[in-house]
Amino acid sequence: QVPLVESGGGVVQPGRSLRLTCAASGFTFNSHGMHWVRQAPGKGLEWVAAIWYDGSKKYYVDSVKGRFTISRDNSKNTLFLQMNSLRAEDTAVYYCARDTGEYDFSNPFFDYWGQGTLVTVSS
Amino acid sequence: DIQMTQSPSSVSASVGDRVTITCRASQSINNWMAWYQQKPGKAPKLLIYKASNLESGVPSRFSGSGSGTEFTLTISSLQPDDFATYYCQQFYIFSLTFGQGTKVEIK
Repeated sequence: QVPLVESGGGVVQPGRSLRLTCAASGFTFNSHGMHWVRQAPGKGLEWVAAIWYDGSKKYYVDSVKGRFTISRDNSKNTLFLQMNSLRAEDTAVYYCARDTGEYDFSNPFFDYWGQGTLVTVSS
Repeated sequence: DIQMTQSPSSVSASVGDRVTITCRASQSINNWMAWYQQKPGKAPKLLIYKASNLESGVPSRFSGSGSGTEFTLTISSLQPDDFATYYCQQFYIFSLTFGQGTKVEIK
């Protein structure tokens, strides 16, 4: 059973919005921080955003600050990424990933990954 | 922001070879370093965390070392399943960045 499953990707025009969802299962979702990591076609990995286990703290890479919002619903074991004002350079596979630590980011590494969802920003 | 420099960008090696990949940070990150393996079309897989800790289930031919600004991933005896791209990842005051990647190819 895959513990993380992303959905919500697709083709969107520049300037529009998209919301990604990551459904978690098989572990105690509400005790782990969660992350979004993206990978542009043929390129390397880029960390995008992180959220504490309880949603109280959020962090973003500079290039998405003010445009993307990470959130979570612990009652539904679900992670979200709201992406607004999308640009061509946001085109990538977006992965959700579990932080290895519990209740803090004392071990800020990624031990579970979803299969990814492709976001294409194009007119 | 901390810059990560990963080298080499690619390496050609044979089964049984010893392979070493290096990541250098622009300033000290203590031991906040991890290594991942990624195969085409798949999500990355955690191999090493906190510079030298082997993730559960990862073969012992993989090892990590280093602290401060220089870190190394070593594959002691390359196996057919190890041909992939490897990434380092650092953490410092809530900024996480990956290295550029090293593609390990069959010689």
